[in-house]
Amino acid sequence: EPEVTQTPSHQVTQMGQEVILRCVPISNHLYFYWYRQILGQKVEFLVSFYNNEISEKSEIFDDQFSVERPDGSNFTLKIRSTKLEDSAMYFCASSDRTGGGTQYFGPGTRLTVT
Amino acid sequence: AQSVTQLGSHVSVSEGALVLLRCNYSSSVPPYLFWYVQYPNQGLQLLLKYTSAATLVKGINGFEAEFKKSETSFHLTKPSAHMSDAAEYFCAVSAGGTSYGKLTFGQGTILTVHP
Repeated sequence: EPEVTQTPSHQVTQMGQEVILRCVPISNHLYFYWYRQILGQKVEFLVSFYNNEISEKSEIFDDQFSVERPDGSNFTLKIRSTKLEDSAMYFCASSDRTGGGTQYFGPGTRLTVT
Repeated sequence: AQSVTQLGSHVSVSEGALVLLRCNYSSSVPPYLFWYVQYPNQGLQLLLKYTSAATLVKGINGFEAEFKKSETSFHLTKPSAHMSDAAEYFCAVSAGGTSYGKLTFGQGTILTVHP
């Protein structure tokens, strides 16, 4: 069964450093998402991506964040200058449609900023 | 704008007992509603979803949920709990129309199953 994959599973970085979280969505999907879950809190939407551009973003997704689909398979989230409060589990998801289409989630990348 | 409230951050049941996890939503447009399950150190797995067809939705692992518009609820139930059901459960809503499918999650309910 097709699945969303994410690398790395755990990333430790120092405050102020840039990180890139990588995702490989399901191959025939067109809609891509990033969410994050700070420990003990709810899962929060960051950004959606369709047709090579951001379709919607949350207030969390400020200028420090960017997303890219550099080739036909990868979908990346870059945090330009990490802060302690960026420590969280980051989930990538993909879907073949909106309008109630199922979003399939990857296993997540745990980002720890020290 | 959408929001989701899950009543009870922790629910504990005995094996074989009824599972009831509560979810209420708010949405300015007809919603799509989802229940996801998260096992320790894993991602989110879809249990079931409501997309404006039948109001009683059956999902995987014996779970089902009923969409009640008048009560703005989408409670998750399972007649008989199994030890393997122990996990965290998230209710989520997305809006139809021009939305690109952004999911808004509730705060989650941790289900504990006792032998």
